[in-house]
Amino acid sequence: DQQVKQNSPSLSVQEGRISILNCDYTNSMFDYFLWYKKYPAEGPTFLISISSIKDKNEDGRFTVFLNKSAKHLSLHIVPSQPGDSAVYFCAASGISNFGNEKLTFGTGTRLTIIP
Amino acid sequence: GAVVSQHPSWVICKSGTSVKIECRSLDFQATTMFWYRQFPKQSLMLMATSNEGSKATYEQGVEKDKFLINHASLTLSTLTVTSAHPEDSSFYICSVSLGGSGRFLTDTQYFGPGTRLTVL
Repeated sequence: DQQVKQNSPSLSVQEGRISILNCDYTNSMFDYFLWYKKYPAEGPTFLISISSIKDKNEDGRFTVFLNKSAKHLSLHIVPSQPGDSAVYFCAASGISNFGNEKLTFGTGTRLTIIP
Repeated sequence: GAVVSQHPSWVICKSGTSVKIECRSLDFQATTMFWYRQFPKQSLMLMATSNEGSKATYEQGVEKDKFLINHASLTLSTLTVTSAHPEDSSFYICSVSLGGSGRFLTDTQYFGPGTRLTVL
């Protein structure tokens, strides 16, 4: 049961344009959402997050939007740069059966920025 | 942040053998480390939470007798895949938590580069 879904396995965007990565979730108990970026042969690195009490969080070129009613979030990167080419993972945070915090990841979207 | 290393970066072993993967926090004393597994075209799945000095907490469906986790020091956690089989072939990745046991520690997780295990 995939509780966090990234339906686009890949995305190509022209340099300077806006990149929009989408993520859907099914578990209404998730209350904190994160985006991670992963380069080849490296571990994921934290990019930006948003609490469920907000609908937008911005950090420089990166903005995350949350639509709780639709259980949908998106990451906007503008303007896109070649260094943004990576795999982006959406993750949702909730409490596990053991009472500790747990991350549930999506399958990732490979973003390629075309120079 | 925290720098996390894993060793080895890749390993090939025969079916039935055991493989140990190390996760080291190089510049931070981590009381909590996480072990994830990622199969091809699938998401990272949390296997277990490793707590220094105590037993690991395993997620549902993860066999604790097969995936032995030892977190004997604040800088080292090991995952041993015992009696490995081809279906255990996967990408194993650890992370270090800086946030202790409170909520929203997840944005302070720092990941290692991962270990690719191939069981023949």
